[in-house]
Amino acid sequence: AQSVAQPEDQVNVAEGNPLTVKCTYSVSGNPYLFWYVQYPNRGLQFLLKYITGDNLVKGSYGFEAEFNKSQTSFHLKKPSALVSDSALYFCAARSGSARQLTFGSGTQLTVLP
Amino acid sequence: GAGVSQSPSNKVTEKGKDVELRCDPISGHTALYWYRQSLGQGLEFLIYFQGNSAPDKSGLPSDRFSAERTGGSVSTLTIQRTQQEDSAVYLCASSPQVDKPQHFGDGTRLSIL
Repeated sequence: AQSVAQPEDQVNVAEGNPLTVKCTYSVSGNPYLFWYVQYPNRGLQFLLKYITGDNLVKGSYGFEAEFNKSQTSFHLKKPSALVSDSALYFCAARSGSARQLTFGSGTQLTVLP
Repeated sequence: GAGVSQSPSNKVTEKGKDVELRCDPISGHTALYWYRQSLGQGLEFLIYFQGNSAPDKSGLPSDRFSAERTGGSVSTLTIQRTQQEDSAVYLCASSPQVDKPQHFGDGTRLSIL
């Protein structure tokens, strides 16, 4: 069975400071990992993905994520947060053979001006 | 180009009534997914369509839920004899193939009185 954990329901960070949103996963075999962002009353928007290759993945809006196989983690990061980054962030994972993604419960990011 | 379109955007109905939710995926996307997002919860997978293959219905919570996809394009999610616990946002997503990122619609917010 696949599972994704986002241990923090809420992350607050000051504008201009670096941000990290944590994600750990459990899938069989090599994982396919994704980050999505959701703004109020909207669907999810794709940010970035890891399938293979470099452990540091760069995505949209200056976000990046680091795949750590030994810790089964895929934390989302950004060097300098913007107030407009405030949103709900979802981590998702699946195994290579699975057809459906398993999503974490989401982390509400608030960037304070 | 056009994204994933869902209708209606909001639906309020009485307990016991049937509802139909519609999803128009991005043209050419062969994979289509339905998810349910309850308040404060992550995304719960409901059903997955891929081309002409039999759908993966493993996430449907009860036999009151069903979905179809006509002509490999538009999909309808039907909930019969609605219950208050069915109140949620129902999200549809499509992708060109299973290992590509999913593109989400803005969802249908369903409220059961």
